[in-house]
Amino acid sequence: DAGVTQSPTHLIKTRGQHVTLRCSPISGHKSVSWYQQVLGQGPQFIFQYYEKEERGRGNFPDRFSARQFPNYSSELNVNALLLGDSALYLCASSRGPSDYGYTFGSGTRLTVV
Amino acid sequence: GEDVEQSLFLSVREGDSSVINCTYTDSSSTYLYWYKQEPGAGLQLLTYIFSNMDMKQDQRLTVLLNKKDKHLSLRIADTQTGDSAIYFCAESTNTDKLIFGTGTRLQVFP
Repeated sequence: DAGVTQSPTHLIKTRGQHVTLRCSPISGHKSVSWYQQVLGQGPQFIFQYYEKEERGRGNFPDRFSARQFPNYSSELNVNALLLGDSALYLCASSRGPSDYGYTFGSGTRLTVV
Repeated sequence: GEDVEQSLFLSVREGDSSVINCTYTDSSSTYLYWYKQEPGAGLQLLTYIFSNMDMKQDQRLTVLLNKKDKHLSLRIADTQTGDSAIYFCAESTNTDKLIFGTGTRLQVFP
């Protein structure tokens, strides 16, 4: 079985640009969560989606948005990129929103210059 | 509030036991987790423990939970060089998001 897949693996963007990151959950998993991990820190929760509905949102500005598609894949969008948005963006999937079995992808490394 | 704290660094000799500690503040935590992150990689779930348990053992890994002191530890027996990584403690409540600590970098030397 394929694990959680994220694309792209690496990305370089310029300040002010927009970026879209993609995540495909494990087959059978209906919940997807996004985390931001800045270098040297632990991951910070951004969003959780279940059955295409937003179930939770972390303390991030409105420049961050996400959505989940009927096949349970998800996109994270960040507008008006800032240097401080440079981080590893991790996607995690689980069977349901309260399932403790979170499986993480390898992440997308975003560098904003 | 929600906060998870860990010591930043631990160095052990190969073959010794490693003990990584974590404290958390949210008394309503339902699950507590240990994740491993190797350089350039995502997070690998090592083990988890329900808040109504005191201990869980899984092969070389032993998790101890002191709910009164809100203290969680991970013991790795017979530590190997392949265990060198960053270890994250995380907690969740029924709100379903994971709250992570800052991570403990474990270095294993021969």
